[in-house]
Amino acid sequence: GQQLNQSPQSMFIQEGEDVSMNCTSSSIFNTWLWYKQEPGEGPVLLIALYKAGELTSNGRLTAQFGITRKDSFLNISASIPSDVGIYFCAGSFSSNTGKLIFGQGTTLQVKP
Amino acid sequence: GAVVSQHPSRVICKSGTSVKIECRSLDFQATTMFWYRQFPKQSLMLMATSNEGSKATYEQGVEKDKFLINHASLTLSTLTVTSAHPEDSSFYICSAGTGGDQPQHFGDGTRLSIL
Repeated sequence: GQQLNQSPQSMFIQEGEDVSMNCTSSSIFNTWLWYKQEPGEGPVLLIALYKAGELTSNGRLTAQFGITRKDSFLNISASIPSDVGIYFCAGSFSSNTGKLIFGQGTTLQVKP
Repeated sequence: GAVVSQHPSRVICKSGTSVKIECRSLDFQATTMFWYRQFPKQSLMLMATSNEGSKATYEQGVEKDKFLINHASLTLSTLTVTSAHPEDSSFYICSAGTGGDQPQHFGDGTRLSIL
């Protein structure tokens, strides 16, 4: 199936460092979403983006909907050990069907 | 708000068994629910879109007779893996949304292991 190109695939950082990950697509999306998944659990919504150029924050997390509508990034500032997990971007083509296309995920490990 | 409950969380059964997984939206009505499959260290792959009161829409390559979906009410969708085999072992996750471009919320997944 179709997937978004998400990078990096994995990151191993020191506690306190900032993190950045991004997703790109050859197609235009109407909605970009960022989820976090921990082992054995379902994804949890972090940030939802609906307009090109939109920049939204949720605590230490900031995400932007690219102006071309083909990309998005997620930044995590001052990382802490509980940020560990897999982060997925997801895009939706149509507001009617609601179908999501997921990126491959970015595995984040934080060293205390 | 927007809580999605999935049951059971884990199933271990013999090859040839049929397994039913339930997905419930606890505090909202969901006209549409989605079923995903996730293999270890991989992303979520959409299997089908479950529509309340009508037939599910399956993604290319997903056997509708193998993965039966029923969405009988606005708060419940079920996925039945019929005559399961070891290659069906995976993490199955459902999601639900209130419609339109509202974000989907996911259940906690069901770990299916076929011996």
